[in-house]
Amino acid sequence: AQSVTQLGSHVSVSEGALVLLRCNYSSSVPPYLFWYVQYPNQGLQLLLKYTTGATLVKGINGFEAEFKKSETSFHLTKPSAHMSDAAEYFCAVSDRGSSGSARQLTFGSGTQLTVLP
Amino acid sequence: SQTIHQWPATLVQPVGSPLSLECTVEGTSNPNLYWYRQAAGRGLQLLFYSVGIGQISSEVPQNLSASRPQDRQFILSSKKLLLSDSGFYLCAYARGLYNEQFFGPGTRLTVL
Repeated sequence: AQSVTQLGSHVSVSEGALVLLRCNYSSSVPPYLFWYVQYPNQGLQLLLKYTTGATLVKGINGFEAEFKKSETSFHLTKPSAHMSDAAEYFCAVSDRGSSGSARQLTFGSGTQLTVLP
Repeated sequence: SQTIHQWPATLVQPVGSPLSLECTVEGTSNPNLYWYRQAAGRGLQLLFYSVGIGQISSEVPQNLSASRPQDRQFILSSKKLLLSDSGFYLCAYARGLYNEQFFGPGTRLTVL
């Protein structure tokens, strides 16, 4: 069974400061990993994903994440926070699926990012 | 390009009333489809998923049901709503080898 842990349900940073949102996962097989962002009363938007290959992946809006197998982590970072980054962020892991079933995403509980002026 | 629609956007219903939420996807065929619920202050809970017409898998026992009458249409229903059914309902479709899921705009359901 897979699980995803996001440390810190609320994170506050000052505008221009580094954003670091933590995600750790457990999976019995090499996972596919995702970060999503959700603005109030909207659906989730895919920020970036790790599947195979380069462990540092870049996404939209200046975000990036690094897959560290030894640490079972996939932390999300952005060098300089912008007011528009204020939102809820979800880390997710996908299983590999099996015959006749859909692959499913297991989501973390989310981290609410506040950007202070 | 693919798009996903949900309606209605908001809904206020009394306890015991029926429910029908609709999700449609454009620009892709035979997608895997998903219904999620977000209760206030909580993460996403997978309710149902479907790999094809008429094929529904339920993840959580509850008074909700889902149907997929057409390839790109996914419907969430209830015969009698409970207060605990309030929440934000999200439909998603998946594509590609890595199960990237793409979400609709959501429906805010309030049961009074």
